[in-house]
Amino acid sequence: KQEVTQIPAALSVPEGENLVLNCSFTDSAIYNLQWFRQDPGKGLTSLLLIQSSQREQTSGRLNASLDKSSGRSTLYIAASQPGDSATYLCAVRPLRGTQGGSEKLVFGKGTKLTVNP
Amino acid sequence: SQTIHQWPATLVQPVGSPLSLECTVEGTSNPNLYWYRQAAGRGLQLLFYSVGIGQISSEVPQNLSASRPQDRQFILSSKKLLLSDSGFYLCAWSAQLNTEAFFGQGTRLTVV
Repeated sequence: KQEVTQIPAALSVPEGENLVLNCSFTDSAIYNLQWFRQDPGKGLTSLLLIQSSQREQTSGRLNASLDKSSGRSTLYIAASQPGDSATYLCAVRPLRGTQGGSEKLVFGKGTKLTVNP
Repeated sequence: SQTIHQWPATLVQPVGSPLSLECTVEGTSNPNLYWYRQAAGRGLQLLFYSVGIGQISSEVPQNLSASRPQDRQFILSSKKLLLSDSGFYLCAWSAQLNTEAFFGQGTRLTVV
């Protein structure tokens, strides 16, 4: 059974700091891995999608890496800003779901990031 | 561009009452549609997904049901709500089962 773990559960940093959020998963048989951002009481915003054949993806100040063999992904945020404060969720899409297809995203519980001015 | 709409944003319902949450997607055809639930302190759990009109798959047995009456419309329902149905319900779509998923703004359901 695929399990996704995100450590730490919460992180507080001063503005301007570069930071790394960690995600680990137990089964390397995945189609892709997706990072999301969730603001309080809101839905999920997709940040980056990494296919299983890729090593990393970049969008602006965000860089996500994937090491499928070791079951790890990191989300690097450069020059953090107070507006980056949110919960960041990692999710993997298994190659084989319970219905035979890769229909389900398996989520971690998230890392709550606070960037202090 | 594609957009996803969910309503209502918040809902307070008494135990035993019915439920209907609606989700629609614009700007795409034949999307794969999903209902997830996010409970406090727990990760997101897939409840239902649909690959086409009238095609619904359930991930877990529960007090809820889903329907897809039109290509871009996905409805989550219950005949009688339980206290344990409280949570944050999120609708999502993807072009295919293994491509990027996009989520709506969610519905906060409180059963009292």
